[in-house]
Amino acid sequence: SQELEQSPQSLIVQEGKNLTINCTSSKTLYGLYWYKQKYGEGLIFLMMLQKGGEEKSHEKITAKLDEKKQQSSLHITASQPSHAGIYLCGSNSGYALNFGKGTSLLVTP
Amino acid sequence: NAGVTQTPKFRVLKTGQSMTLLCAQDMNHEYMYWYRQDPGMGLRLIHYSVGEGTTAKGEVPDGYNVSRLKKQNFLLGLESAAPSQTSVYFCASSSGGAETQYFGPGTRLLVL
Repeated sequence: SQELEQSPQSLIVQEGKNLTINCTSSKTLYGLYWYKQKYGEGLIFLMMLQKGGEEKSHEKITAKLDEKKQQSSLHITASQPSHAGIYLCGSNSGYALNFGKGTSLLVTP
Repeated sequence: NAGVTQTPKFRVLKTGQSMTLLCAQDMNHEYMYWYRQDPGMGLRLIHYSVGEGTTAKGEVPDGYNVSRLKKQNFLLGLESAAPSQTSVYFCASSSGGAETQYFGPGTRLLVL
């Protein structure tokens, strides 16, 4: 199965600061998904990227897939306490998703 | 629309007891999945189904059984619970294997 490495494992940022989370694969990604999990809750779908160089935005969150389709980044602009949670990337294996281990984000006042 | 729902939300079992986790979806999705989430391990696929009456093994199927008798329901069974099965279990569904998966809120299981 395709392994996904997420970095950093955890992140503490001050409210208002920007941050970036990375997701790296050793193999070409055919469908890269970003999910957010609030602590103690289920996963919420954020965005899906398929094409090399693709970029999508939703509110203050932007996700990109590099040209080689082996790395994706999730960028949050002007972080807010509502952005806190665990961010997971997942890649399509044809019948299910393989997930990275997640990045835990804490936003402090 | 309720989306994906899971029952129960929380359960405590003793070693050797059995139980069934229920997942229901109202999106008419063909594919359904069961994952477990453990600290430091991320989400791992237990079993999945590509349609009513079908099931298949995922990455960590041992100790679990599943059934998909109705399209909207996917059941996960533990015949003889073990402490190693203490985890948070998530159900998900999608319209196809390459489509977005939608997750339920999770079931927290503690096996003593």
